[in-house]
Amino acid sequence: AQKVTQAQTEISVVEKEDVTLDCVYETRDTTYYLFWYKQPPSGELVFLIRRNSFDEQNEISGRYSWNFQKSTSSFNFTITASQVVDSAVYFCALSEARGAQKLVFGQGTRLTINP
Amino acid sequence: GAGVSQSPRYKVAKRGQDVALRCDPISGHVSLFWYQQALGQGPEFLTYFQNEAQLDKSGLPSDRFFAERPEGSVSTLKIQRTQQEDSAVYLCASSLVTRRGGSGFPYEQYFGPGTRLTVT
Repeated sequence: AQKVTQAQTEISVVEKEDVTLDCVYETRDTTYYLFWYKQPPSGELVFLIRRNSFDEQNEISGRYSWNFQKSTSSFNFTITASQVVDSAVYFCALSEARGAQKLVFGQGTRLTINP
Repeated sequence: GAGVSQSPRYKVAKRGQDVALRCDPISGHVSLFWYQQALGQGPEFLTYFQNEAQLDKSGLPSDRFFAERPEGSVSTLKIQRTQQEDSAVYLCASSLVTRRGGSGFPYEQYFGPGTRLTVT
């Protein structure tokens, strides 16, 4: 069975600090996909990134970066120079490569950026 | 363009009542998913449609939950004889298809704002 663990329930930092959100996953599949979603107070999940299990290249998009390490089954997300607008709940998710490709989500990390 | 819309946004039901939650996916999106999100938890998969066919309903918690998408567009999630444990946010998501050509790389799922169901 697939499982995603986000051990950090809540994180609170001061604006401009860097912050890393941890994600550890479990799957027996050799091909799978990993995702990060952001859920602001409005409630709508916003897609941030998708990675293929065969592609371990780290990715950077502006202030956001992702570190995928297959050896440790981790897919961590770092926000550099955090801003108040980054405050939200962040979810890591795993999808199988076959069938419905439904998303299996972690429990989420509530990130609060204080001014 | 318009995103995924859901209605109602909020629903209060008395225990034992039936409810119907509506999802309007993005136009042209073939795949439609329903998820249930309990307070403080991540969303959990309920069911999946490809066009009008319900291909996976493994996440539906009981036979009181029923979903349909008769014309391959709008979907309705129905909960019969609601119980307090049904209180949650019900999220709908749509995507173009689950596979991109032959690569198997899934399109991202676009989520609606959810319907918050409270059973009293």
